[in-house]
Amino acid sequence: AQSVTQPDIHITVSEGASLELRCNYSYGATPYLFWYVQSPGQGLQLLLKYFSGDTLVQGIKGFEAEFKRSQSSFNLRKPSVHWSDAAEYFCAVGASGNTPLVFGKGTRLSVIA
Amino acid sequence: NAGVTQTPKFQVLKTGQSMTLQCAQDMNHEYMSWYRQDPGMGLRLIHYSVGAGITDQGEVPNGYNVSRSTTEDFPLRLLSAAPSQTSVYFCASRRKTGPQETQYFGPGTRLLVL
Repeated sequence: AQSVTQPDIHITVSEGASLELRCNYSYGATPYLFWYVQSPGQGLQLLLKYFSGDTLVQGIKGFEAEFKRSQSSFNLRKPSVHWSDAAEYFCAVGASGNTPLVFGKGTRLSVIA
Repeated sequence: NAGVTQTPKFQVLKTGQSMTLQCAQDMNHEYMSWYRQDPGMGLRLIHYSVGAGITDQGEVPNGYNVSRSTTEDFPLRLLSAAPSQTSVYFCASRRKTGPQETQYFGPGTRLLVL
């Protein structure tokens, strides 16, 4: 069965600084990988996903993520963080067929002036 | 399209009461699922369905029932509420073509069990 680890529970960055959120997965075959964002009191919104092709994936709101098979990682990056990026971020992995998505426990991002 | 809708938004129950959380989607998605979100635990799957008449258990199914009589609706029933079921519940849907399909989430239902 697949699993996801997000090592950082909480990260604080300054506005304008770069951001990298870590995600490690465990799955024997090629995984289907997702990053979702949850603003306070809201549902989850898809930022980006990877399932084949180019290992650098572009998403919405200026985010990107890179799939590294050798490291079993799918880290989320943004070159310059805005105050509105403060939210909780979830990495998720899917397997083939109709196996449900498995989510990490999330990383809460705080942005300071 | 309204997407995925959930009702109610908030609910307070007493221990032992029953209730149904409603979930509906208008995207003709075959695949629907229910998650609960608790602090520090991320999202945990309760039940899911790959089509009308087909349901399966997720990671934390105890205390919850589901049924899927139509493609659009996937209600979650709490038979006898317990304080441990205090949580935020999210419904989600996607096409069942494959796991590469985007999963869309509803706005959530906040449940407090006293």
